[in-house]
Amino acid sequence: SQQGEEDPQALSIQEGENATMNCSYKTSINNLQWYRQNSGRGLVHLILIRSNEREKHSGRLRVTLDTSKKSSSLLITASRAADTASYFCATDRIQGAQKLVFGQGTRLTINP
Amino acid sequence: GAGVSQSPSNKVTEKGKDVELRCDPISGHTALYWYRQRLGQGLEFLIYFQGNSAPDKSGLPSDRFSAERTGESVSTLTIQRTQQEDSAVYLCASSLGPERETQYFGPGTRLLVL
Repeated sequence: SQQGEEDPQALSIQEGENATMNCSYKTSINNLQWYRQNSGRGLVHLILIRSNEREKHSGRLRVTLDTSKKSSSLLITASRAADTASYFCATDRIQGAQKLVFGQGTRLTINP
Repeated sequence: GAGVSQSPSNKVTEKGKDVELRCDPISGHTALYWYRQRLGQGLEFLIYFQGNSAPDKSGLPSDRFSAERTGESVSTLTIQRTQQEDSAVYLCASSLGPERETQYFGPGTRLLVL
């Protein structure tokens, strides 16, 4: 079963606006990562947040993690056309098979 | 090389034929992963290699799928007797250490089974 589930499945906003994507998961984790995928090819790692962290920043990206709610959010501020891509969260579960489990992704479209 | 490379970029084959996909991880990365991504879907884990440990094959969908890795270098994913439902992008990733590290992805191989 899917560990991470992104919400919304698709998001369309105007350039310059902020974009927020959410990820929920089911079991306890060691860390949660966000990846971006352009044009259905290779994924690019954006940011990793560990289970003992609550918030992390990287440039225009802000990630939060709420382990009590088993959820994370990715905020992209001042969006640009180049941010158009699919965004995936991936979780590393504490128990069970040792592998990252990816969600279905959020398709983000930035309109000029 | 600077990143993970995969070949071929695209592969079109006929149903029933065997295909072999190749992945060259980043030099020095001990962990290597294969994923499958169907159109508009998320990533499905297939197999994971870590150093000389036995691979985690728990994601392979059927016995038609197999993968090998030579030491800590090249890996090949083989699909025998391909079916139309095997059509997908096959992504390879590597990381410096075990699963909990950041994964670096190759560009993928887009497989189309006619």
